[in-house]
Amino acid sequence: GDSVTQMEGPVTLSEEAFLTINCTYTATGYPSLFWYVQYPGEGLQLLLKATKADDKGSNKGFEATYRKETTSFHLEKGSVQVSDSAVYFCALSTGNNRKLIWGLGTSLAVNP
Amino acid sequence: DSGVTQTPKHLITATGQRVTLRCSPRSGDLSVYWYQQSLDQGLQFLIQYYNGEERAKGNILERFSAQQFPDLHSELNLSSLELGDSALYFCASSVELSGRGGPGANVLTFGAGSRLTVL
Repeated sequence: GDSVTQMEGPVTLSEEAFLTINCTYTATGYPSLFWYVQYPGEGLQLLLKATKADDKGSNKGFEATYRKETTSFHLEKGSVQVSDSAVYFCALSTGNNRKLIWGLGTSLAVNP
Repeated sequence: DSGVTQTPKHLITATGQRVTLRCSPRSGDLSVYWYQQSLDQGLQFLIQYYNGEERAKGNILERFSAQQFPDLHSELNLSSLELGDSALYFCASSVELSGRGGPGANVLTFGAGSRLTVL
């Protein structure tokens, strides 16, 4: 069945470091791909999305490119800030009902 | 403020009890989703409603039930509570039925969650 695999956390970085959180997927058809972020004590919120191969989603300095050939949607940011400390979820939607399939989440802690 | 309102924010109760969690979706959103988030199982989809009708079911236990009312708010009822039901319960809403695949499809707006502790 369809699935999303994220790198396990926690990830701990110093401020201004480069961030990559890996996400790979298995899906039939042509899924849409999403990154959601959950800040401490809050609900999830959409960070970025891509709906077709080679699309790049971007927001708040984060980027992810939909790579069909490697079935990946890795999240990157060139210079993280303390305020980026959160849990990041990769997700896909596919199928007739476009049900969302979620990864387990990757916790990121950024130290000053 | 995401526009999705959940009450209560925190709830502590005993095993065997029943609780109701309430969700008001963002204005204009017709779809409501319920999720359970626990440390050991991550984010689990429970159930989805669209304009009052059940549209999709996930890993929802038989002890749990939900409904969406004509004013589009939704309630999640959890009964015969067990220790393992302790978790964060999130409500999310979206403007479109997921099957339509339009620009807003599957873009969910989440509430801040209701933290349930069963003692």
